[in-house]
Amino acid sequence: RKEVEQDPGPFNVPEGATVAFNCTYSNSASQSFFWYRQDCRKEPKLLMSVYSSGNEDGRFTAQLNRASQYISLLIRDSKLSDSATYLCVVPRVDSSYKLIFGSGTRLLVRP
Amino acid sequence: EAGVVQSPRYKIIEKKQPVAFWCNPISGHNTLYWYLQNLGQGPELLIRYENEEAVDDSQLPKDRFSAERLKGVDSTLKIQPAELGDSAVYLCASSLTSGTYNEQFFGPGTRLTVL
Repeated sequence: RKEVEQDPGPFNVPEGATVAFNCTYSNSASQSFFWYRQDCRKEPKLLMSVYSSGNEDGRFTAQLNRASQYISLLIRDSKLSDSATYLCVVPRVDSSYKLIFGSGTRLLVRP
Repeated sequence: EAGVVQSPRYKIIEKKQPVAFWCNPISGHNTLYWYLQNLGQGPELLIRYENEEAVDDSQLPKDRFSAERLKGVDSTLKIQPAELGDSAVYLCASSLTSGTYNEQFFGPGTRLTVL
């Protein structure tokens, strides 16, 4: 089983829609999680950090389900500019501080 | 404030040729990372530096890849000789220090094509 798994998508939604995608992780001891956004041919940028049950920032909500070992990202009122790949990131639970990136979920928001 | 700078942005070489990538992290950032990103995949760590010391190079293919960060600031990643399978984007990132809670900032990457 991969350490971090994501549905590659693409999720194709109209503007204004609400969309959610999940990320599953294999290590039940993981404590912190991140969502990075990566635009086409650009570098990844931190979108949200999740340290407890969840986090909310405007139209974006991240939720953590420790029992089922998944993190979700919910985007409300989708904008064209939300079109990107969303990378789920789970740090290794050791002294390496190594970030394990999922393969990403691609989102396309259409007019 | 300037972000992470990488050069070149694009590089096309023939297989068996050497190639080098350069990275200048955000000023004051002690930790520097080199990642490899294949198409459709997330970045994978190649090497992490704390100042000038390589503290995690377990994923670096040492037969052909080498890296240095001599003065604990900028860094160079080299491949010699390059193989077809090395075609990918090489990302450099930096953070204030290591640790889960320190955000990593990525540079724009170098897109390598090996023919």
